[in-house]
Amino acid sequence: KAGVTQTPRYLIKTRGQQVTLSCSPISGHRSVSWYQQTPGQGLQFLFEYFSETQRNKGNFPGRFSGRQFSNSRSEMNVSTLELGDSALYLCASSTRTSGSTDEQFFGPGTRLTVL
Amino acid sequence: AQSVTQPDIHITVSEGASLELRCNYSYGATPYLFWYVQSPGQGLQLLLKYFSGDTLVQGIKGFEAEFKRSQSSFNLRKPSVHWSDAAEYFCAVGPSGGSYIPTFGRGTSLIVHP
Repeated sequence: KAGVTQTPRYLIKTRGQQVTLSCSPISGHRSVSWYQQTPGQGLQFLFEYFSETQRNKGNFPGRFSGRQFSNSRSEMNVSTLELGDSALYLCASSTRTSGSTDEQFFGPGTRLTVL
Repeated sequence: AQSVTQPDIHITVSEGASLELRCNYSYGATPYLFWYVQSPGQGLQLLLKYFSGDTLVQGIKGFEAEFKRSQSSFNLRKPSVHWSDAAEYFCAVGPSGGSYIPTFGRGTSLIVHP
């Protein structure tokens, strides 16, 4: 079974631009979560989608948004990029359904650099 | 709110030596506990998890962890470290039901000397 895939793997943008990252979960996984990883803050939860609905949201500004499609693929968008948005963005999928918890399977991440 | 503390930012061991990585959590109920490993340039991979039952959990790559409720700890151990174990290790805790928002520790970087 193919793992979680993320595209692109690397991105360079300038301040003020916007960016869209893509994540394809493992087949059959309906829950997709996004994380931001930086050396200073560690792993921080952005949001989780399940069946095209945002189910949980972390403490990030509204510039960070996401969506999920009917095939469970997910995108996250960051508008008006700031230097501090430079990070590794990780996507994780799981079989988690409402009211349950399960392990997460992570993709390799998208390395975003904002200049 | 739950929290996870990994007291050691870096740990250096010699190849073949034993390893213990510490993880302490704060959570009001029975937690779900995880250990993940991240190799350079890669995403996180699950090593093991604890949901309930036997408090000594066996994982992949020869790792094990022990849940100690009295100490609020879930330390990761390996009897003999290999050079390929050099990586970043993350402990995570999640609620036991309902909305699941995992909290990750800051990570421990393992350096293995030949």
